[in-house]
Amino acid sequence: GIQVEQSPPDLILQEGANSTLRCNFSDSVNNLQWFHQNPWGQLINLFYIPSGTKQNGRLSATTVATERYSLLYISSSQTTDSGVYFCAVKGVGTASKLTFGTGTRLQVTL
Amino acid sequence: ETGVTQSPTHLIKTRGQQVTLRCSSQSGHNTVSWYQQALGQGPQFIFQYYREEENGRGNFPPRFSGLQFPNYSSELNVNALELDDSALYLCASSRESIYGYTFGSGTRLTVV
Repeated sequence: GIQVEQSPPDLILQEGANSTLRCNFSDSVNNLQWFHQNPWGQLINLFYIPSGTKQNGRLSATTVATERYSLLYISSSQTTDSGVYFCAVKGVGTASKLTFGTGTRLQVTL
Repeated sequence: ETGVTQSPTHLIKTRGQQVTLRCSSQSGHNTVSWYQQALGQGPQFIFQYYREEENGRGNFPPRFSGLQFPNYSSELNVNALELDDSALYLCASSRESIYGYTFGSGTRLTVV
C-alpha cells in the first residue's frame, strides 16, 4: 500500500515564528488532505489539496503531485496552532482508504 | 450545514463485552468511513460504507463490523472487546468519496 512520511516528527517554535511541514508519499494520489488534531482529538480539515497551492489566512499548502510531496506552511505561529498535524492521502485506484502519516507534533511557546 | 457528529464521546467497557458507536454524517454526504487511532499514532482505516454497502476494509478482524442506514448515518460494532481495542474511534464522511473527508470529534473507548 501507499506509504506516507511526515517531517519533522516534532517541532517547537516561539510564537510569531514561521514553519514548514513536509509530507512525502510513495505513489500517485487523488486525494491529499492536511489535518490539525486538537488536544481533544478532533481532526480539523485544513486543506483538501491533491495538487496545486491553496492559502487560508496564516496557513498555506502546496502539493507537487508529480514529485509526490506536499508542504504545509504556518506563518506567524500562535499558541493555538499547537497540536499534531497529519497528512492523509488516498492512492489512485483506491476507492476508500485514507492513509495517514505519523504526524508532526507542533508546540508553540510564548 | 451540520458537521459529523459521533456518540457517545467517552465509553468504558469490560473485556469480552460488545460496543456500538454511532455517527451522523455531514449533510449531503453519502460516504462514511471509520478509523481507529491508538495513543500517539495516526488513524488507521477500519472500513468505509457508500450508499449502505461496504466498499473498503482495512486490516481489522471480523469482530469489527458496521452498518450504514438510508439516511447515511452509520454504526460501528465491536464484539468480544480486547484491551488493545482501547483507542479513539473517528468517523468521517464525504460526498461520493472523491472529495475531502470531514471528521467527527471521535469516541474515546477504554476497555478494562
